[in-house]
Amino acid sequence: EVQLVESGGGLVKPGGSLRLSCAASGFTFSTYYINWVRQAPGKGLEWVSSISDSSSFIYYADSVKGRFTISRDDAKKSLYLQMNSLTAEDTAVYYCARFPDYWGQGTLVTVSS
Amino acid sequence: EIVLTQSPATLSLSPGERATLSCRASQSVSSFLAWYQLKPGQAPRLLIYDASNRATGITTRFSGSGSGTDFTLTISSLEPEDFAVYYCQQRSHWPITFGQGTRLEIK
Repeated sequence: EVQLVESGGGLVKPGGSLRLSCAASGFTFSTYYINWVRQAPGKGLEWVSSISDSSSFIYYADSVKGRFTISRDDAKKSLYLQMNSLTAEDTAVYYCARFPDYWGQGTLVTVSS
Repeated sequence: EIVLTQSPATLSLSPGERATLSCRASQSVSSFLAWYQLKPGQAPRLLIYDASNRATGITTRFSGSGSGTDFTLTISSLEPEDFAVYYCQQRSHWPITFGQGTRLEIK
């Protein structure tokens, strides 16, 4: 069974940093693009970042470029999102997803003083 | 960036009625379009991929059609569990984009 389990969310002050993790199981993690998507309170889904197999290609939404860094560890079957210089606009549930079909349950990031 | 425009923003229908949701792309996405259902506190659920292919385990009440710039999600006869928010997503071009969502509510 394919599973994606996010962790690392929490409350952080504006300007702070947080690192999200996503643990994958049930499929050959190393051969897939993996993605981060977020949903701010009361808002729609927003794609955040994607990383290809072998980390050859990395993409970011303009809203996070220069502040967020996506990475993966295929040996650990894990995806990461390092988030720096956080603002209130980054407050959201962050999902790890293997498009189009598998998504985690999400982890909540709250940026507030 | 490809903009996906969903209409209507809100759709009020009764159980048993047919729902038709639209997603229009600002430029062609070929058939690289998916539809998701989102309920509070739950992960997005894939309904349709590649415009018209039903995802595993999805009831035949859900169907997708279209290609290029105009796409439709149809729910043939609404069940109570179908009332949720629906999003389209394109993966034809970077950046990946989502529509703003259609809220399907009980009339």
